[in-house]
Amino acid sequence: AQSVTQLDSHVSVSEGTPVLLRCNYSSSYSPSLFWYVQHPNKGLQLLLKYTSAATLVKGINGFEAEFKKSETSFHLTKPSAHMSDAAEYFCVVSDETSYDKVIFGPGTSLSVIP
Amino acid sequence: NAGVTQTPKFQVLKTGQSMTLQCAQDMNHNSMYWYRQDPGMGLRLIYYSASEGTTDKGEVPNGYNVSRLNKREFSLRLESAAPSQTSVYFCASRLQGKSTEAFFGQGTRLTVV
Repeated sequence: AQSVTQLDSHVSVSEGTPVLLRCNYSSSYSPSLFWYVQHPNKGLQLLLKYTSAATLVKGINGFEAEFKKSETSFHLTKPSAHMSDAAEYFCVVSDETSYDKVIFGPGTSLSVIP
Repeated sequence: NAGVTQTPKFQVLKTGQSMTLQCAQDMNHNSMYWYRQDPGMGLRLIYYSASEGTTDKGEVPNGYNVSRLNKREFSLRLESAAPSQTSVYFCASRLQGKSTEAFFGQGTRLTVV
């Protein structure tokens, strides 16, 4: 069965500094991986997804993630944090055994300090 | 372009009462999902439906029932609400296939007192 671990429940960065949000997954087969963002009292928005076409995936708002099969990781990065990036971020997995089952990680809360 | 629509947006129930959360999507998606979101626990899958007429348990199905009424609609029922079911509930839909993303409704905030 697939599962997701997000290693940090909370990350705090200064505006203009890099962001790293870590995600490790467990999957029996070739996974599909996603990052979603949720701003306070808002719905969920897709940031990016891994489609197996390329291991480095670019998303919206300057975010990107790198799929590393050997490390079973899909960490989210951004070169320079903006105040508007403060939100909850979720790493999500589904796999070939059941494309229909979509499992969320517990989330990482990102704070951006002015 | 409505996407995924959930009703109601807010609800307060007394312990033991029942209610049904409604969800409808207009994107012709095959798969539909119900999640609950609690602080520090992310979104946990309650039930999902891969197609009309099929439903499967997710991570936390106890205390809930679902109905996939047709391709568009997927309802979640609480037969006898408990305070532990106080949560924000999200419905989602997705086109079947590898790497297809899920689209979410705006959520239902349920409080059981």
